Amino acid sequence: QKEVEQNSGPLSVPEGAIASLNCTYSDRGSQSFFWYRQYSGKSPELIMSIYSNGDKEDGRFTAQLNKASQYVSLLIRDSQPSDSATYLCAVKRSGAGSYQLTFGKGTKLSVIP
Amino acid sequence: EADIYQTPRYLVIGTGKKITLECSQTMGHDKMYWYQQDPGMELHLIHYSYGVNSTEKGDLSSESTVSRIRTEHFPLTLESARPSHTSQYLCATGDWGQNYGYTFGSGTRLTVV
Repeated sequence: QKEVEQNSGPLSVPEGAIASLNCTYSDRGSQSFFWYRQYSGKSPELIMSIYSNGDKEDGRFTAQLNKASQYVSLLIRDSQPSDSATYLCAVKRSGAGSYQLTFGKGTKLSVIP
Repeated sequence: EADIYQTPRYLVIGTGKKITLECSQTMGHDKMYWYQQDPGMELHLIHYSYGVNSTEKGDLSSESTVSRIRTEHFPLTLESARPSHTSQYLCATGDWGQNYGYTFGSGTRLTVV
């Protein structure tokens, strides 16, 4: 089992819909969770971070964390064509492991106008 | 403004040449990382450093080498470039602790002909 798993997609949603991106992780010692957006040919850009169980909202983005189920998700409301990108889930452990992030392979999202 | 810089953005070079990809940061972070990413593929960690005179190889075997003589500078060198080295190289900086993800540079797209 990979440490961080994401559906590779592509995930296609119509403009204005809610896009739901999912990520599971294997290490129960993980303490911090990050979502990056990467446009084709560009570098990853941090868009959300979450550390506590529950929801965290930032504009059209909501990150959800359930540590008991080892599951983190990203919801994008009112999806726009400009949201079309690959979304990377990243996980950070506690202690010495907090020096590194472990990335998933990413989910490619296409928002159809 | 604190930032991370990579040069060059694009490089086309002949087989057998020695190349150095530059990465500098003004964020004051000790932790720096090099990733290799082919188009549409996942990130692969090739080198990392937790401080001056500290360098380690990452998960993906690479023929490149790195050095960390100054906190702000983390160059990557290929002694003899080959077509198999054609890829995007991404530098990132991070910090210890729960709240910190990585900040990526703009990347260097290397083509070896």
